[in-house]
Amino acid sequence: SQQGEEDPQALSIQEGENATMNCSYKTSINNLQWYRQNSGRGLVHLILIRSNEREKHSGRLRVTLDTSKKSSSLLITASRAADTASYFCATVMTGANNLFFGTGTRLTVIP
Amino acid sequence: GAGVSQTPSNKVTEKGKYVELRCDPISGHTALYWYRQSLGQGPEFLIYFQGTGAADDSGLPNDRFFAVRPEGSVSTLKIQRTERGDSAVYLCASSLLLARYNEQFFGPGTRLTVL
Repeated sequence: SQQGEEDPQALSIQEGENATMNCSYKTSINNLQWYRQNSGRGLVHLILIRSNEREKHSGRLRVTLDTSKKSSSLLITASRAADTASYFCATVMTGANNLFFGTGTRLTVIP
Repeated sequence: GAGVSQTPSNKVTEKGKYVELRCDPISGHTALYWYRQSLGQGPEFLIYFQGTGAADDSGLPNDRFFAVRPEGSVSTLKIQRTERGDSAVYLCASSLLLARYNEQFFGPGTRLTVL
């Protein structure tokens, strides 16, 4: 079963705009990771945030984590057409060693 | 360096047949994971190996599914008596350490279609 849910399920924006995706999960976690997937195949790791961290940046990506609300957000600034993909959050539950993925957000960036 | 590779990239089989899916992890990665992704869904965990042993196989849907990693490197996912509901993309991932510490590197997947 899926651990979390992403919101929205689909997002369409103009190039240059910011894109925000949210993720909610159900149980206590060790860390939360965001992945990107093109064309339904291989996933690429974007960023990992640990349960004791609240915010992390990597290039145009900004991730926040609120463990009290069991939620995370991914912000992509100054979006590009090449950012078009599906984005998944994945959690490592406390005591576990595998990823539990959310349902994903399909992002479309219009040139 | 080379990433995670999976073969075949596509596999079409008939209901009831046996299939094997192969994963070559990144050299030196001790942890290896198998996931299954159905259309429009996120990947679902099947099994992971730490070295040669299956450390957690709680995600395997039933006893038709089995995986091995005899030498601690290449892994094979085996599905017996395939059913149409087994159709999905099977993803393999490896990591230097366990997922609680760092990210996983995914292969391109094997798309399995059971007719």
